[in-house]
Amino acid sequence: QVQLVESGGGVVQPGKSLRLSCAASEFTFSIYAMHWVRQAPGKGLEWVAIISFDGTNKYYADSVKGRFTISRDNSNKTLYLQMDSLRPDDTAVYYCARDGNFWSGFFDYCGQGTLVTVSS
Amino acid sequence: EVVMTQSPATLSVSPGGSATLSCRASQNVGNNVAWYQQKPGQSPRLLIYGASTRATDIPGGFTGSGSGTQFSLTISSLQSESFAVYYCQQYNNWPTTFGQGTKVEIK
Repeated sequence: QVQLVESGGGVVQPGKSLRLSCAASEFTFSIYAMHWVRQAPGKGLEWVAIISFDGTNKYYADSVKGRFTISRDNSNKTLYLQMDSLRPDDTAVYYCARDGNFWSGFFDYCGQGTLVTVSS
Repeated sequence: EVVMTQSPATLSVSPGGSATLSCRASQNVGNNVAWYQQKPGQSPRLLIYGASTRATDIPGGFTGSGSGTQFSLTISSLQSESFAVYYCQQYNNWPTTFGQGTKVEIK
């Protein structure tokens, strides 16, 4: 069974940085594009970023472009999200997700999420 | 970006009944629409992709249809485990975008 386990969330002050990790197992991580998706408290889903299977292609939502960086380490089956210049409206549960068809845009598995709270 | 509009916001259904959820795209997205179910405190679960293809291990009571700008998800014989929030998503254009969700609650 595909497993995705996020970590690295917590409380951080506005303007500070945080790095999220997502450990993948029970599938061939290196052949799938991967996403980060977030959900503010009580709100809907918002796509954040995608990275290709080999890390060469990356797209970002306009709301995080220039502040967040998605990356991956295929040897360690881990996905990352470096979040800089954090703002209160970045407060959300962040999910990592596997792309449903290598580079389709939908996702077939999500982790349980990690909560990021940006507050002074 | 493509705006996905779901209706209704909340749907009250009796156990054993059926529900039809709607999703409208602001421009043609072909059949590149997915549907997700999310229960409180859980992550989203893929139900449907390609507008009408059920994901792995999804029971036949979930049926997706539509193309272009109008899509729907029908849930038949609602059981307690199906009362949740449902989101549609278009992935025809970047950025991929979601609807605001429809909550299916027990009547």
